[in-house]
Amino acid sequence: AQSVTQPDIHITVSEGASLELRCNYSYGATPYLFWYVQSPGQGLQLLLKYFSGDTLVQGIKGFEAEFKRSQSSFNLRKPSVHWSDAAEYFCAVVMNYGGSQGNLIFGKGTKLSVKP
Amino acid sequence: ETGVTQTPRHLVMGMTNKKSLKCEQHLGHNAMYWYKQSAKKPLELMFVYSLEERVENNSVPSRFSPECPNSSHLFLHLHTLQPEDSALYLCASSPPGTGSEQYFGPGTRLTVT
Repeated sequence: AQSVTQPDIHITVSEGASLELRCNYSYGATPYLFWYVQSPGQGLQLLLKYFSGDTLVQGIKGFEAEFKRSQSSFNLRKPSVHWSDAAEYFCAVVMNYGGSQGNLIFGKGTKLSVKP
Repeated sequence: ETGVTQTPRHLVMGMTNKKSLKCEQHLGHNAMYWYKQSAKKPLELMFVYSLEERVENNSVPSRFSPECPNSSHLFLHLHTLQPEDSALYLCASSPPGTGSEQYFGPGTRLTVT
């Protein structure tokens, strides 16, 4: 079965430091890829998405992600973290069944803490 | 603010109660979803409606009953719930098109006592 793995449950970084959150998926073809962020008590907000084309995609709030087909990965990065980035981050994929679309499959999330 | 609203934001109910969760979107989307988010578990897709017809039910217990009267509104009717049903229930909607991203509401925090 298709799955999404976020190997880091909780990450703590210092404000101003760089950030990389990992995401791997298991599927034979290229899915559609998403990163969402969830602040406490809130719903999920889309940060960025990859469908095709340039494998480095830019999102909101200074985030970017790179799709690496050979590694089945879609890691999220930010060069300088702000205290307001503390939240939980979810990687998600939609399997592309040759034109028809499957449902979003989410990873378990990575909680980001930012220390001053 | 994503354009998807959910009410109530918090709900406490006993196991014998009947309540309903409401979701509303005015984004022109044609698909709506219910998800369950429990601690330490991935988001679980419960129901999918496309053009007001249910297209997916991921083996959800019958004590959860969805209703989609039109493309802007989605309900989740609850009855005789169990304590393990306590969770954050998220509604989402998406526009037409392959690979369209989903827009989420803020969720309803449900506690079953």
